[in-house]
Amino acid sequence: SQKIEQNSEALNIQEGKTATLTCNYTNYSPAYLQWYRQDPGRGPVFLLLIRENEKEKRKERLKVTFDTTLKQSLFHITASQPADSATYLCALGNQAGTALIFGKGTTLSVSS
Amino acid sequence: SAVISQKPSRDICQRGTSLTIQCQVDSQVTMMFWYRQQPGQSLTLIATANQGSEATYESGFVIDKFPISRPNLTFSTLTVSNMSPEDSSIYLCSVAPGDRTYGYTFGSGTRLTVV
Repeated sequence: SQKIEQNSEALNIQEGKTATLTCNYTNYSPAYLQWYRQDPGRGPVFLLLIRENEKEKRKERLKVTFDTTLKQSLFHITASQPADSATYLCALGNQAGTALIFGKGTTLSVSS
Repeated sequence: SAVISQKPSRDICQRGTSLTIQCQVDSQVTMMFWYRQQPGQSLTLIATANQGSEATYESGFVIDKFPISRPNLTFSTLTVSNMSPEDSSIYLCSVAPGDRTYGYTFGSGTRLTVV
């Protein structure tokens, strides 16, 4: 069955450092991969999308890589800030407009 | 991107009763998705709701327990029926973007506690 694993449930880093979160998947061939941020008591908020034929995407302090051979995506937050503390979810999609499959998420805590 | 208003934001319900969750979208969308997020778990898809047809349920979810309505292209409801403590969870609705360059939009969620 399809499976998505995010490397750890929790990640603690110091302010200013780069946070790197990992998403691995099996038994799936996604057309695209997305990353979301979820704060307590809120719904997920879209951050970045990367397609199967793209290697890397950047948006401000965020960078996503996608390796379809390794079946892995890395999500980087550079110059992290305490405001970046949240749960980050990896999601896979196959066709436009169909439901996403989510990983469990990694809770990032950035300390000052 | 679309904006979703989801109600209620939270509720505490007695076992055996039912709760209906509403999602209103500010634009017309073809499909709406309903997810459940149990504590410490990922979002699990319950069903996909198309306007004018019956919802499509994922394995482990049945219409009698989670009836869904989709009367028009901007609105949907999910009912959690005959609730038990195991139904305590966060329920979320979501819509896909019209453009594949954008991500999906989620409601703010309904935190349900069954006592």
